[in-house]
Amino acid sequence: EDQVTQSPEALRLQEGESSSLNCSYTVSGLRGLFWYRQDPGKGPEFLFTLYSAGEEKEKERLKATLTKKESFLHITAPKPEDSATYLCAVGTNFGNEKLTFGTGTRLTIIP
Amino acid sequence: AAGVIQSPRHLIKEKRETATLKCYPISRHDTVYWYQQGPGQDPQFLISFYEKMQSDKGSIPDRFSAQQFSDYHSELNMSSLELGDSALYFCASSPNTGANEQFFGPGTRLTVL
Repeated sequence: EDQVTQSPEALRLQEGESSSLNCSYTVSGLRGLFWYRQDPGKGPEFLFTLYSAGEEKEKERLKATLTKKESFLHITAPKPEDSATYLCAVGTNFGNEKLTFGTGTRLTIIP
Repeated sequence: AAGVIQSPRHLIKEKRETATLKCYPISRHDTVYWYQQGPGQDPQFLISFYEKMQSDKGSIPDRFSAQQFSDYHSELNMSSLELGDSALYFCASSPNTGANEQFFGPGTRLTVL
């Protein structure tokens, strides 16, 4: 069974204090690893897709990286508007289209 | 471009009633997914459709059914509602099957009293 574990569960940072969120996964065949941002009561907002180990993608203050066992979401000089829950999800390549999500990291940026 | 549209946004039902949730995917997206998210939990996959055929099934109760129509919109039908069905229900769409990202709608908040 596919498993996704995210850490930490919650993270509080001062504005401008860089950090990383972790997503560890165990899957039978990785089709893609996806990062989403979710604000309270809203739908997940797509951020990145990573397909193979060594791949990196950037968007503004966010950078996602992928190894064979885990992915990191690096946040550089965060601002209060970056506060949200960040979800990691995996899709596998055995005909399944579903995404299996981790429980997320709740990020709070303090001004 | 317009995103995924879900209706209604909020729904309040009594136990044992039925509910129908609607999803309108992004234009030219032919695959639709349904997820359920309980309070403080991650989204759980329910069911998906590709070209109007069911393509995958997750932990969807037998009381629930879904279909995709010729215009690619989808409906999730929920019967004999239970208190535990109270949750956010998200629809997502993607351009086709395979390694493509899913774009989520704003969700329908279902409250069962």
